[in-house]
Amino acid sequence: SQQGEEDPQALSIQEGENATMNCSYKTSINNLQWYRQNSGRGLVHLILIRSNEREKHSGRLRVTLDTSKKSSSLLITASRAADTASYFCAHPHGNSGAGSYQLTFGKGTKLSVIP
Amino acid sequence: DTEVTQTPKHLVMGMTNKKSLKCEQHMGHRAMYWYKQKAKKPPELMFVYSYEKLSINESVPSRFSPECPNSSLLNLHLHALQPEDSALYLCASSLRLAGAVSGDNEQFFGPGTRLTVL
Repeated sequence: SQQGEEDPQALSIQEGENATMNCSYKTSINNLQWYRQNSGRGLVHLILIRSNEREKHSGRLRVTLDTSKKSSSLLITASRAADTASYFCAHPHGNSGAGSYQLTFGKGTKLSVIP
Repeated sequence: DTEVTQTPKHLVMGMTNKKSLKCEQHMGHRAMYWYKQKAKKPPELMFVYSYEKLSINESVPSRFSPECPNSSLLNLHLHALQPEDSALYLCASSLRLAGAVSGDNEQFFGPGTRLTVL
């Protein structure tokens, strides 16, 4: 299955700084999602942005979506040590038929927030 | 209850063993998923069940056998695994399918089963 690209692959910042992660994808989508995964654990859904939205906020998270460039970014403001995790973007493999069942994940960004 | 539970948390098995992984959710979700995740890689979809019927099998070897006994339970039966099958196995569920336009597409993941095949 297709996989999006995320950059950077790894990001290390000081507590209190902002962290920005980017995601690119290749197909047309009707939504894009961001997930967090703490080391060796399950994924936690953070935020979903629809193709007709350009920006969405949830607490310290801000997500943007540029469908013309097929890219999205996740901004975490005022980072905390507890934000240390891997972050994945994900999108449906299609919006009809078998593709609509599949969530395609990007390669992920490993974020380290240093206290 | 907004939780997906998985048992066991850890499993070590030999190549001749038969074991099962279990997943349970009580959110009324009708789509359930099995993913395999190797270290430092994203999850890879293995199987999708929709309304207790197998909808997607991503060319997974037959030594992995999924089962959905009812709308709340999902099992993954393991037999004659190889050492390269060692990975984190994640179960997830969602109210709607990933590509549905109407909303509630997010997937809820369990904590995973860390499988080691010797």
